[in-house]
Amino acid sequence: GQQVKQSSPSLTVQEGGISILNCDYENDMFDYFAWYKKYPDNSPTLLISVRSNVDKREDGRLTVFLNKSGKHFSLHITASQPEDTAVYLCAAGEQGTGSKLSFGKGAKLTVSP
Amino acid sequence: AQTIHQWPVAEIKAVGSPLSLGCTIKGKSSPNLYWYWQATGGTLQQLFYSITVGQVESVVQLNLSASRPKDDQFILSTEKLLLSHSGFYLCAWSLHWGGSAETLYFGSGTRLTVL
Repeated sequence: GQQVKQSSPSLTVQEGGISILNCDYENDMFDYFAWYKKYPDNSPTLLISVRSNVDKREDGRLTVFLNKSGKHFSLHITASQPEDTAVYLCAAGEQGTGSKLSFGKGAKLTVSP
Repeated sequence: AQTIHQWPVAEIKAVGSPLSLGCTIKGKSSPNLYWYWQATGGTLQQLFYSITVGQVESVVQLNLSASRPKDDQFILSTEKLLLSHSGFYLCAWSLHWGGSAETLYFGSGTRLTVL
């Protein structure tokens, strides 16, 4: 079955608002969690990642929250901009498997002016 | 700086015909290489990985094969395409193979349509 799930396929946020993207996972062994951004007709690029030894990581307008007990992690984008409009893929990896990441299906974020 | 080049950009092929997709990484020696595939509406899945020349491991069975003939080259192929092979193929590289997952750097992808 799918090990990483993004339950909401799309989200629309007003410019300047907070975008929250969610991801649930099943494998207790996952110790690496990442968010990739994908523009149409482009390949995914890494936005931000976090390891299981922390609950939160901030990088500018981006924050990843990790809830290990709930097997859930999220991406918060503050002061959302129209250029944040893209598909966001969550991914998780298991220690000992190198870069064998399991990806979610993706969620389309639209930031409206 | 490292660059990753995938070819072709798109292919339209008939069922039963052969396929060869290529990927070249420049500016990084001995990268770990991967092939990913996403069916329309589906999830990005890892198909193959390679940590060194001549060695390829299969992750998902899709009647495809992969080879790494050179340190900087990764090839995905099949002798007989199926309709189910349609989708988006991405080559990727990473720096390390070790205890934990590392960042993937993706190529621009190949859109394959099998008719």
